[in-house]
Amino acid sequence: ETGVTQTPRHLVMGMTNKKSLKCEQHLGHNAMYWYKQSAKKPLELMFVYNFKEQTENNSVPSRFSPECPNSSHLFLHLHTLQPEDSALYLCASSQDPAGAETQYFGPGTRLLVL
Amino acid sequence: AQSVAQPEDQVNVAEGNPLTVKCTYSVSGNPYLFWYVQYPNRGLQFLLKYITGDNLVKGSYGFEAEFNKSQTSFHLKKPSALVSDSALYFCAVRATGGSYIPTFGRGTSLIVHP
Repeated sequence: ETGVTQTPRHLVMGMTNKKSLKCEQHLGHNAMYWYKQSAKKPLELMFVYNFKEQTENNSVPSRFSPECPNSSHLFLHLHTLQPEDSALYLCASSQDPAGAETQYFGPGTRLLVL
Repeated sequence: AQSVAQPEDQVNVAEGNPLTVKCTYSVSGNPYLFWYVQYPNRGLQFLLKYITGDNLVKGSYGFEAEFNKSQTSFHLKKPSALVSDSALYFCAVRATGGSYIPTFGRGTSLIVHP
């Protein structure tokens, strides 16, 4: 495995629910990322954290709320989602966002919004 | 702005035959280029990257890619395909300066037939 874990692996939620996705990296990296993967579409970057500070918010709706309490953990809080938010949510980490750093991805959380 | 194009949604190849997965890019200045692979129910795994120097980059599992600056391409190749190479392949680019966030293509599904 890549050293990046995500829980839960699968999640079904109604549009009025509140849930959270968790990501943990065991690689000692300083940067963490949330991506949304939908079929036949490019990987969409959502958020970037570098040394626990949010450095990128790629015009993501406010119903997605990230949290990075330390450089090893990243959360994505979900509330009042829409069916079109159903997708695979991938977490990634890298040593440093600068340079040609390789990103290490978790297995993803498959989200279905009913 | 930077962008990546993977013009083929799917590539089919017979086992033992050479394979090519195409990628073209657009970026201001010099690029860093990456290939990742995604197996079913898994996150993306790093295959190889181009930073500078030799245009032919060798990576994991016998894959290689050739950087062609004049054609702004970075095609992924393997001399002899295996059934186990069947997966989703993503190309990514980022500029050596400016934003350090990579842009991913939409992925190409490689199917290797026995």
